[in-house]
Amino acid sequence: GAVVSQHPSRVICKSGTSVKIECRSLDFQATTMFWYRQFPKQSLMLMATSNEGSKATYEQGVEKDKFLINHASLTLSTLTVTSAHPEDSSFYICSAPRLAEETQYFGPGTRLLVL
Amino acid sequence: QKEVEQDPGPLSVPEGAIVSLNCTYSNSAFQYFMWYRQYSRKGPELLMYTYSSGNKEDGRFTAQVDKSSKYISLFIRDSQPSDSATYLCAMSETNAGNMLTFGGGTRLMVKP
Repeated sequence: GAVVSQHPSRVICKSGTSVKIECRSLDFQATTMFWYRQFPKQSLMLMATSNEGSKATYEQGVEKDKFLINHASLTLSTLTVTSAHPEDSSFYICSAPRLAEETQYFGPGTRLLVL
Repeated sequence: QKEVEQDPGPLSVPEGAIVSLNCTYSNSAFQYFMWYRQYSRKGPELLMYTYSSGNKEDGRFTAQVDKSSKYISLFIRDSQPSDSATYLCAMSETNAGNMLTFGGGTRLMVKP
C-alpha cells in the first residue's frame, strides 16, 4: 500500500489565491522530504528539500517566498503556493526517504490548475 | 549536457517482447541507482534499486549498472500492456534517501 500520501490530489483555483499541499509519510518518520514539480511529458524537477525543525533548502531559481515549505512534524510537510498564477499550474510531487530501506517513496502527486 | 541522459522515446513494443531501457550519466560520484515507473498522472513507483556496479533481478525486471561506462539499464522480460508507462532512472551520490538526480524518462508502450 501507499507509504506517502498527498492531499489534495487535484485543485483548481483562481489566480492570486494561495494553495496548500500536504505530504505525509504514513508509517515511518521522515526528517527530510523533497518537493518536485513536473510539467507535462517532462521529468521531475526538484524544487526544495524540506527539513524537520529547520528551514527548507531551495533549488536555484525557485522562489522561496512563493513556495513556502513547512515541515511541521516528522510525518508532515506542507507546500504552500502563494498568490498562484497560471504559470504555476503543474503536477507537484513529494517524496520521503525511508532510511531503514535506503529507498525514497513518492506521493501520488497533486495536480494544480490556476485559472 | 545534462547530468543524466535518457532517451525519451516513445518506445513501442509488442506484448511479450524484451524491453531494454537505458541511462547514461556524467557524475562518477553516483553510487546509488534506481528505476521508477510512473503511470500517467500518478507519482513515481520504485521498481529497482541497486548500489554500485552489478546486476539485480526481481521477477521480470533486471537492473544492470556499469559504473566504468557510466551506463545503467533496466530490462523487462515478457512485457505486458500493463507495463506501459514512463520509466525514470534516478541516481544519488550518498544514499537513496538523499537528493536524487533524475533522467528525463522513457515512455514505453506495450501493444497487445
